[in-house]
Amino acid sequence: NAGVTQTPKFRVLKTGQSMTLLCAQDMNHEYMYWYRQDPGMGLRLIHYSVGEGTTAKGEVPDGYNVSRLKKQNFLLGLESAAPSQTSVYFCATAPGTGVSGANVLTFGAGSRLTVL
Amino acid sequence: GENVEQHPSTLSVQEGDSAVIKCTYSDSASNYFPWYKQELGKRPQLIIDIRSNVGEKKDQRIAVTLNKTAKHFSLHITETQPEDSAVYFCAASIWNNDMRFGAGTRLTVKP
Repeated sequence: NAGVTQTPKFRVLKTGQSMTLLCAQDMNHEYMYWYRQDPGMGLRLIHYSVGEGTTAKGEVPDGYNVSRLKKQNFLLGLESAAPSQTSVYFCATAPGTGVSGANVLTFGAGSRLTVL
Repeated sequence: GENVEQHPSTLSVQEGDSAVIKCTYSDSASNYFPWYKQELGKRPQLIIDIRSNVGEKKDQRIAVTLNKTAKHFSLHITETQPEDSAVYFCAASIWNNDMRFGAGTRLTVKP
Protein backbone atom coordinates (compact mmCIF):
# COMPACT_ATOMS: atom_id res chain seq x y z
CA ASN A 1 0.00 0.00 0.00
CA ALA A 2 2.08 2.91 -1.30
CA GLY A 3 -0.50 5.71 -0.82
CA VAL A 4 0.36 8.59 -3.15
CA THR A 5 3.45 8.22 -5.32
CA GLN A 6 4.95 11.01 -7.39
CA THR A 7 7.48 10.52 -10.17
CA PRO A 8 10.03 11.85 -10.78
CA LYS A 9 11.24 13.20 -7.43
CA PHE A 10 13.73 15.58 -9.02
CA ARG A 11 14.08 16.99 -12.51
CA VAL A 12 16.12 19.72 -14.16
CA LEU A 13 14.80 21.15 -17.42
CA LYS A 14 15.95 23.76 -19.87
CA THR A 15 13.61 26.57 -20.84
CA GLY A 16 11.23 25.39 -23.55
CA GLN A 17 11.49 21.69 -22.78
CA SER A 18 8.42 19.66 -21.93
CA MET A 19 7.83 17.09 -19.24
CA THR A 20 5.12 15.19 -17.39
CA LEU A 21 4.79 14.58 -13.66
CA LEU A 22 2.91 11.44 -12.67
CA CYS A 23 0.81 11.05 -9.54
CA ALA A 24 -0.35 7.52 -8.78
CA GLN A 25 -2.60 6.49 -5.90
CA ASP A 26 -3.74 3.11 -4.66
CA MET A 27 -6.38 4.32 -2.18
CA ASN A 28 -9.29 4.43 -4.61
CA HIS A 29 -9.74 8.16 -3.93
CA GLU A 30 -12.03 10.13 -6.19
CA TYR A 31 -10.40 13.54 -5.90
CA MET A 32 -6.87 14.40 -7.00
CA TYR A 33 -4.99 17.69 -6.96
CA TRP A 34 -1.78 19.27 -8.14
CA TYR A 35 -0.27 22.05 -6.03
CA ARG A 36 2.93 24.00 -6.35
CA GLN A 37 4.83 25.26 -3.34
CA ASP A 38 7.05 28.32 -3.48
CA PRO A 39 8.74 30.06 -0.54
CA GLY A 40 6.40 32.51 1.18
CA MET A 41 3.47 31.61 -1.06
CA GLY A 42 2.16 28.46 0.50
CA LEU A 43 0.47 25.80 -1.57
CA ARG A 44 -1.20 27.06 -4.74
CA LEU A 45 -3.69 24.89 -6.58
CA ILE A 46 -2.85 24.30 -10.24
CA HIS A 47 -5.51 21.84 -11.41
CA TYR A 48 -7.73 19.26 -9.80
CA SER A 49 -10.00 16.36 -10.67
CA VAL A 50 -13.18 15.18 -8.99
CA GLY A 51 -13.23 11.85 -10.79
CA GLU A 52 -11.92 9.81 -13.68
CA GLY A 53 -12.14 11.74 -16.92
CA THR A 54 -12.70 15.12 -15.24
CA THR A 55 -10.35 18.05 -14.69
CA ALA A 56 -10.77 21.63 -13.53
CA LYS A 57 -8.60 24.72 -13.23
CA GLY A 58 -7.34 25.93 -9.91
CA GLU A 59 -5.69 29.15 -8.86
CA VAL A 60 -2.61 29.08 -11.14
CA PRO A 61 -3.38 26.87 -14.18
CA ASP A 62 -1.53 28.79 -16.91
CA GLY A 63 1.35 26.89 -18.49
CA TYR A 64 0.12 23.51 -17.22
CA ASN A 65 -2.15 20.79 -18.54
CA VAL A 66 -3.55 17.74 -16.79
CA SER A 67 -5.23 14.47 -17.60
CA ARG A 68 -7.05 11.84 -15.55
CA LEU A 69 -7.66 8.99 -17.95
CA LYS A 70 -7.52 6.42 -15.15
CA LYS A 71 -8.89 6.89 -11.65
CA GLN A 72 -5.58 6.08 -10.03
CA ASN A 73 -3.40 8.43 -12.09
CA PHE A 74 -3.29 12.21 -12.43
CA LEU A 75 -0.72 13.63 -14.84
CA LEU A 76 0.63 17.18 -14.83
CA GLY A 77 2.23 18.38 -18.04
CA LEU A 78 4.44 21.33 -18.83
CA GLU A 79 4.47 21.89 -22.58
CA SER A 80 7.13 24.59 -22.68
CA ALA A 81 8.86 24.99 -19.33
CA ALA A 82 9.75 28.46 -18.03
CA PRO A 83 12.03 29.47 -15.13
CA SER A 84 8.90 30.73 -13.30
CA GLN A 85 7.79 27.11 -13.08
CA THR A 86 10.74 26.21 -10.87
CA SER A 87 9.01 24.90 -7.77
CA VAL A 88 8.17 21.92 -5.62
CA TYR A 89 5.07 20.18 -6.92
CA PHE A 90 2.79 18.22 -4.63
CA CYS A 91 0.07 15.83 -5.66
CA ALA A 92 -2.75 15.21 -3.18
CA THR A 93 -5.79 12.97 -3.08
CA ALA A 94 -9.03 12.85 -1.08
CA PRO A 95 -11.73 10.21 -0.80
CA GLY A 96 -14.55 12.48 -2.01
CA THR A 97 -18.01 13.24 -0.69
CA GLY A 98 -20.11 10.73 1.17
CA VAL A 99 -17.15 8.91 2.66
CA SER A 100 -15.66 9.13 6.15
CA GLY A 101 -12.76 11.56 6.03
CA ALA A 102 -14.00 12.72 2.63
CA ASN A 103 -12.14 15.99 2.70
CA VAL A 104 -8.80 14.90 4.15
CA LEU A 105 -5.94 15.38 1.73
CA THR A 106 -3.16 12.81 1.49
CA PHE A 107 -0.07 14.32 -0.08
CA GLY A 108 2.66 12.74 -2.10
CA ALA A 109 6.30 13.32 -1.20
CA GLY A 110 6.74 16.12 -3.71
CA SER A 111 8.64 16.62 -6.96
CA ARG A 112 11.34 19.28 -7.16
CA LEU A 113 11.51 20.84 -10.61
CA THR A 114 14.19 23.29 -11.70
CA VAL A 115 13.92 25.12 -15.00
CA LEU A 116 17.13 26.75 -16.20
CA GLY B 1 -12.30 31.61 -6.33
CA GLU B 2 -11.65 31.42 -2.61
CA ASN B 3 -8.90 33.60 -1.14
CA VAL B 4 -7.32 32.63 2.17
CA GLU B 5 -5.07 34.98 4.13
CA GLN B 6 -2.95 33.74 7.01
CA HIS B 7 -1.15 35.63 9.79
CA PRO B 8 1.48 35.84 11.09
CA SER B 9 3.99 34.55 8.55
CA THR B 10 6.45 33.73 11.32
CA LEU B 11 5.89 33.06 15.01
CA SER B 12 8.42 32.35 17.72
CA VAL B 13 7.38 31.20 21.20
CA GLN B 14 9.03 29.75 24.27
CA GLU B 15 8.44 26.12 25.06
CA GLY B 16 5.31 25.81 27.16
CA ASP B 17 3.71 28.98 25.84
CA SER B 18 0.66 29.07 23.59
CA ALA B 19 0.67 29.84 19.86
CA VAL B 20 -2.20 31.27 17.82
CA ILE B 21 -2.40 31.43 14.04
CA LYS B 22 -5.24 33.25 12.30
CA CYS B 23 -6.80 32.90 8.86
CA THR B 24 -9.52 34.73 6.98
CA TYR B 25 -11.41 33.52 3.93
CA SER B 26 -13.40 35.33 1.28
CA ASP B 27 -16.11 32.94 0.09
CA SER B 28 -19.03 32.69 2.51
CA ALA B 29 -19.99 29.38 0.87
CA SER B 30 -16.83 27.68 2.15
CA ASN B 31 -17.73 24.99 4.64
CA TYR B 32 -14.58 23.06 5.41
CA PHE B 33 -11.47 24.43 7.13
CA PRO B 34 -8.46 22.16 7.71
CA TRP B 35 -5.05 22.85 9.18
CA TYR B 36 -1.93 21.13 7.88
CA LYS B 37 1.52 20.86 9.41
CA GLN B 38 4.63 20.58 7.26
CA GLU B 39 7.94 19.68 8.82
CA LEU B 40 11.12 20.62 7.01
CA GLY B 41 11.55 18.62 3.81
CA LYS B 42 8.38 16.62 4.34
CA ARG B 43 4.87 16.56 2.96
CA PRO B 44 1.97 18.44 4.61
CA GLN B 45 -0.14 16.42 6.99
CA LEU B 46 -3.56 17.15 8.46
CA ILE B 47 -3.55 18.00 12.15
CA ILE B 48 -7.13 19.17 12.70
CA ASP B 49 -10.14 20.31 10.71
CA ILE B 50 -13.51 21.94 11.33
CA ARG B 51 -16.73 22.18 9.39
CA SER B 52 -18.96 25.22 9.14
CA ASN B 53 -21.65 23.78 11.41
CA VAL B 54 -19.22 23.70 14.37
CA GLY B 55 -17.71 26.66 16.21
CA GLU B 56 -14.83 24.96 17.98
CA LYS B 57 -12.99 21.65 17.95
CA LYS B 58 -10.24 20.34 20.22
CA ASP B 59 -7.75 17.53 19.98
CA GLN B 60 -5.41 17.36 22.98
CA ARG B 61 -3.19 20.46 22.79
CA ILE B 62 -4.64 21.69 19.52
CA ALA B 63 -7.89 23.56 18.99
CA VAL B 64 -9.50 25.35 16.10
CA THR B 65 -12.19 28.04 16.31
CA LEU B 66 -14.41 29.28 13.51
CA ASN B 67 -16.32 32.55 13.23
CA LYS B 68 -18.53 32.24 10.16
CA THR B 69 -19.93 35.75 10.46
CA ALA B 70 -16.49 37.31 10.39
CA LYS B 71 -15.14 34.65 8.02
CA HIS B 72 -12.12 33.82 10.07
CA PHE B 73 -10.75 30.77 11.85
CA SER B 74 -7.82 30.22 14.17
CA LEU B 75 -5.46 27.48 15.30
CA HIS B 76 -4.51 27.38 18.96
CA ILE B 77 -1.63 25.27 20.23
CA THR B 78 -1.18 25.11 24.00
CA GLU B 79 1.85 23.97 26.00
CA THR B 80 4.04 24.15 22.91
CA GLN B 81 6.93 21.73 22.52
CA PRO B 82 10.03 21.89 20.27
CA GLU B 83 8.51 19.20 18.03
CA ASP B 84 5.67 21.62 17.25
CA SER B 85 8.20 23.65 15.23
CA ALA B 86 7.06 23.49 11.59
CA VAL B 87 5.16 25.42 8.95
CA TYR B 88 1.40 25.45 9.47
CA PHE B 89 -1.09 26.00 6.67
CA CYS B 90 -4.78 26.80 6.91
CA ALA B 91 -7.12 26.05 4.04
CA ALA B 92 -10.74 26.55 3.03
CA SER B 93 -13.01 24.86 0.54
CA ILE B 94 -16.57 24.21 -0.48
CA TRP B 95 -16.58 20.49 0.17
CA ASN B 96 -13.55 19.20 -1.77
CA ASN B 97 -13.97 20.90 -5.06
CA ASP B 98 -11.30 23.57 -4.81
CA MET B 99 -9.18 23.67 -1.66
CA ARG B 100 -7.17 26.86 -1.27
CA PHE B 101 -4.36 27.29 1.23
CA GLY B 102 -2.99 30.24 3.14
CA ALA B 103 0.64 31.27 2.66
CA GLY B 104 1.76 29.46 5.82
CA THR B 105 3.12 30.31 9.26
CA ARG B 106 6.57 29.22 10.32
CA LEU B 107 6.35 28.37 14.02
CA THR B 108 9.53 28.09 16.05
CA VAL B 109 9.34 26.78 19.60
CA LYS B 110 12.46 27.67 21.56
CA PRO B 111 13.48 25.26 24.31
